[in-house]
Amino acid sequence: GAVVSQHPSRVICKSGTSVKIECRSLDFQATTMFWYRQFPKQSLMLMATSNEGSKATYEQGVEKDKFLINHASLTLSTLTVTSAHPEDSSFYICSATIDSATNEKLFFGSGTQLSVL
Amino acid sequence: QKEVEQDPGPLSVPEGAIVSLNCTYSNSAFQYFMWYRQYSRKGPELLMYTYSSGNKEDGRFTAQVDKSSKYISLFIRDSQPSDSATYLCAMSAQGAQKLVFGQGTRLTINP
Repeated sequence: GAVVSQHPSRVICKSGTSVKIECRSLDFQATTMFWYRQFPKQSLMLMATSNEGSKATYEQGVEKDKFLINHASLTLSTLTVTSAHPEDSSFYICSATIDSATNEKLFFGSGTQLSVL
Repeated sequence: QKEVEQDPGPLSVPEGAIVSLNCTYSNSAFQYFMWYRQYSRKGPELLMYTYSSGNKEDGRFTAQVDKSSKYISLFIRDSQPSDSATYLCAMSAQGAQKLVFGQGTRLTINP
């Protein structure tokens, strides 16, 4: 299957700082990338959908000024958590697809565990 | 009420047993149904993908969808310790758009 690389896998930061998470599709061009958040023992929750070259579409309740998403190329999307606070501590996962019409071509990154002190 | 309900378990069975994992949903617009396997602190890996009622088999795995009852299942035959993971059901109304996940069932296969 296709490979989606997510970096870093784990980050610890102080409250008030910003953290950038990268999501790369290594062997395919991703027309659409998705960002999810997963709290312990809870399901993945879709945060936003990003299409290359256009603004991300955020789900209800997700602050777009806090979670900045940039999808500047067909192989790279970034999520920046601005002014992080302890309640932002979570597991963040990206996924990428070359065809948003089917789930068979949707591939997930390995996730980033964010801990805000 | 959550759109997708999944018993979080944990579920522990002996090696070789048949495992049954289930999800119910409330949104009749869902047309695409997936099962993912997720190892600890890793991203989900697609196991099964279906878009119609009925059964779909792939090796030791069988996915079952009953749209009339809004109920999906995943069966694992001849379970192996390597099957130990969290299994997530997911569904959507539009392809890869807006996947809605279940809470995940934590499964342990004991040797």
